[in-house]
Amino acid sequence: GENVEQHPSTLSVQEGDSAVIKCTYSDSASNYFPWYKQELGKGPQLIIDIRSNVGEKKDQRIAVTLNKTAKHFSLHITETQPEDSAVYFCAEGNTGFQKLVFGTGTRLLVSP
Amino acid sequence: GAVVSQHPSWVICKSGTSVKIECRSLDFQATTMFWYRQFPKQSLMLMATSNEGSKATYEQGVEKDKFLINHASLTLSTLTVTSAHPEDSSFYICSAETATSTDTQYFGPGTRLTVL
Repeated sequence: GENVEQHPSTLSVQEGDSAVIKCTYSDSASNYFPWYKQELGKGPQLIIDIRSNVGEKKDQRIAVTLNKTAKHFSLHITETQPEDSAVYFCAEGNTGFQKLVFGTGTRLLVSP
Repeated sequence: GAVVSQHPSWVICKSGTSVKIECRSLDFQATTMFWYRQFPKQSLMLMATSNEGSKATYEQGVEKDKFLINHASLTLSTLTVTSAHPEDSSFYICSAETATSTDTQYFGPGTRLTVL
């Protein structure tokens, strides 16, 4: 069945450092890979996504890379700031089937 | 753009009562809406997929008679938790897809349900 592994479960960095979160999926038909940021008591917020026809996408301090052969994708946050502290979820989906399968989440703590 | 709202943001009810949660897409038409449940420090668990004008598709293990979903318009879906019990206490979150980007889900702010 569908499965998304996400690592690490917690990540602590100093302000200004980079943070990397990795996800591995099992469904070779998956072609859509979004990343969500969830702050305490709030709903998830889409921060970046990538589709299977590209290998990398960047938006200011955030980037996502995709390796379809190895079935893994990663979120990269550079120059981290305390406000980046939150839980980050990866997900994978297939356009034809609509629903997303979420990873287990990574709690990121950025210390000033 | 792509704003989703939920109401109420939190609710406390007595065991045995029913609670209705609304999910609205404010600036777009949502052909498909999704309902998730999230327990503390856990990931999102999909409960059901709702397409406007048709019956919802429930995930395995989710009781359709307990969690009633209605998607009567392109901007509104409701989730009713019937005969709520303390184990139903959770964070319920909806999401919606736009008609033009059918794989991107935009999430609402969530509803915290506490059943006493």
